[in-house]
Amino acid sequence: GAGVSQSPSNKVTEKGKDVELRCDPISGHTALYWYRQRLGQGLEFLIYFQGNSAPDKSGLPSDRFSAERTGESVSTLTIQRTQQEDSAVYLCASSFVAGGTEAFFGQGTRLTVV
Amino acid sequence: EDKVVQSPLSLVVHEGDTVTLNCSYEVTNFRSLLWYKQEKKAPTFLFMLTSSGIEKKSGRLSSILDKKELSSILNITATQTGDSAIYLCAVAPTQGGSEKLVFGKGTKLTVNP
Repeated sequence: GAGVSQSPSNKVTEKGKDVELRCDPISGHTALYWYRQRLGQGLEFLIYFQGNSAPDKSGLPSDRFSAERTGESVSTLTIQRTQQEDSAVYLCASSFVAGGTEAFFGQGTRLTVV
Repeated sequence: EDKVVQSPLSLVVHEGDTVTLNCSYEVTNFRSLLWYKQEKKAPTFLFMLTSSGIEKKSGRLSSILDKKELSSILNITATQTGDSAIYLCAVAPTQGGSEKLVFGKGTKLTVNP
């Protein structure tokens, strides 16, 4: 596609429910990143995928968070039993090659847990 | 632990002013430094720097990397209200096969008419 596509753009969910966020990277991009940005805060790294290598999950804040990516295509970030502190904008980015080339961001998903 | 520090955290200027935003980093196995502009949700890419001392320029924006000082600056000349945004600096290290981008907290720039 022309750019990184994320869906939904906004999601309001009740505390305790599971949510699934989707990221469609730019075609041909092997690296994919998920970040979280709380209101007024910086970008917090969550997880990184590079081709078929094992993902770097070191940023996932708890075992309620998980992410999958099939090959070099779509990724989904799942948050189970959502809590109010999970409210944030979840940003996905992709790049052709990790680190050595620019990463392009999607428009993000604004998650609100009520 | 890899760290990126930006300064100032916020800046208010008038249209026409020139601003310099700073980014310093402490990372192992540095690969590249990237600047982004964030106006609403999605950061938009500005520059990627890998070589020290070579200025990258795009219109009124320019950036340069100093690997010796482990820092970079982003200059904006003749600022306009449309430059108001959060400017993010990120560093791409290479560590054990993981090359996640490490971001600073950003500089919030406000340009008043």
